[in-house]
Amino acid sequence: DTTVKQNPRYKLARVGKPVNLICSQTMNHDTMYWYQKKPNQAPKLLLFYYDKILNREADTFEKFQSSRPNNSFCSLYIGSAGLEYSAMYLCASSSGTGGYEQYFGPGTRLTVL
Amino acid sequence: AQSVTQPDARVTVSEGASLQLRCKYSYSGTPYLFWYVQYPRQGLQLLLKYYSGDPVVQGVNGFEAEFIKSNSSFHLRKASVHWSDSAVYFCAVSGNSNNRIFFGDGTQLVVKP
Repeated sequence: DTTVKQNPRYKLARVGKPVNLICSQTMNHDTMYWYQKKPNQAPKLLLFYYDKILNREADTFEKFQSSRPNNSFCSLYIGSAGLEYSAMYLCASSSGTGGYEQYFGPGTRLTVL
Repeated sequence: AQSVTQPDARVTVSEGASLQLRCKYSYSGTPYLFWYVQYPRQGLQLLLKYYSGDPVVQGVNGFEAEFIKSNSSFHLRKASVHWSDSAVYFCAVSGNSNNRIFFGDGTQLVVKP
């Protein structure tokens, strides 16, 4: 079962308020990723966990935080949402330290007003 | 530097016609190559992947792709498209030395009835 789940599917947030998105996978994958996807653009990698080690991209380092309380769950946290955060947020997971295929969840569509 | 170029932002074909979506990559090591598809309001789904061996790889729903090393290309093909193939298609590259996948900007495929 190659299933990645994300909650919620849709999220409405106010400017300046925090946002927390949840992802889970049951494949025992060691790596979990978060991407931001805007229309007509490639998915943008925000951060990933390899096991318990968090790697955040340099250009989004201060904007996003994450936690991985166990192997199956990973969250994405925005401390203070801005209008520019409106996007689809995709969670993915993969097995192995190499560039193996990533399995994606259905995404959470975040709208910031 | 690692990158993927999908030169066609949008491709329109008639149902039943053949299809080729173009992809060129730049990767300093041995590439792992992928095609993903995103249907409306859904996450990314893996269509096919190439790691090594036969340069022509078969994927789901009749899709195939050919790895041409000399041309740094990994074009996606289908002999006869169906209206349900309308979606955004992403080409991606990775390698065995890191966890990152680099995506192209995607090609919007529109299949006319």
